[in-house]
Amino acid sequence: DTEVTQTPKHLVMGMTNKKSLKCEQHMGHRAMYWYKQKAKKPPELMFVYSYEKLSINESVPSRFSPECPNSSLLNLHLHALQPEDSALYLCASSQLRLANEQFFGPGTRLTVL
Amino acid sequence: DQQVKQNSPSLSVQEGRISILNCDYTNSMFDYFLWYKKYPAEGPTFLISISSIKDKNEDGRFTVFLNKSAKHLSLHIVPSQPGDSAVYFCAASSFTGNQFYFGTGTSLTVIP
Repeated sequence: DTEVTQTPKHLVMGMTNKKSLKCEQHMGHRAMYWYKQKAKKPPELMFVYSYEKLSINESVPSRFSPECPNSSLLNLHLHALQPEDSALYLCASSQLRLANEQFFGPGTRLTVL
Repeated sequence: DQQVKQNSPSLSVQEGRISILNCDYTNSMFDYFLWYKKYPAEGPTFLISISSIKDKNEDGRFTVFLNKSAKHLSLHIVPSQPGDSAVYFCAASSFTGNQFYFGTGTSLTVIP
């Protein structure tokens, strides 16, 4: 199984809502990532988990809160988002470290009203 | 500040010909480079990688060349096929560090 799954595929939320994005992989990868991609821009790294520990937080606002309950699951909790946070949120995983080949999920298209 | 740049936002090539996609980087600490391909509504898919100790890596129709002194890498696709039409991102990483940056992307169209 070389698939990274993400749910939901689309999410529309208001600025006062709380929602969560979910990501799952069963490849035995020990590193998992969240990226944000705006239209016509490259993906930007937000968070890296290595062995279920947060190892990078690329100065992301606290309204984004990652969680790694176990080595197969990665969540991104969203609260009090702004319209400019609307983007494609991509999850990825890799064997060990950041430079390894990363397997990406299809993304969650988030719209903040 | 964009540390990895792809100066051609788009490229059109005839089927069967060579596609050459270029990528430049600024950070000399990068020592591992990757190319990803992205179709609409899908996540990026890994294509090929190269470490800084090499100057060429080949995998089937795909070859990546690295010129460290120029801080430049390129992806050659030969022969190009219509199914290769997608957005291609180069990416750079520091193998021992915690840096990973995607380039700005090049949209390749292979014309049948």
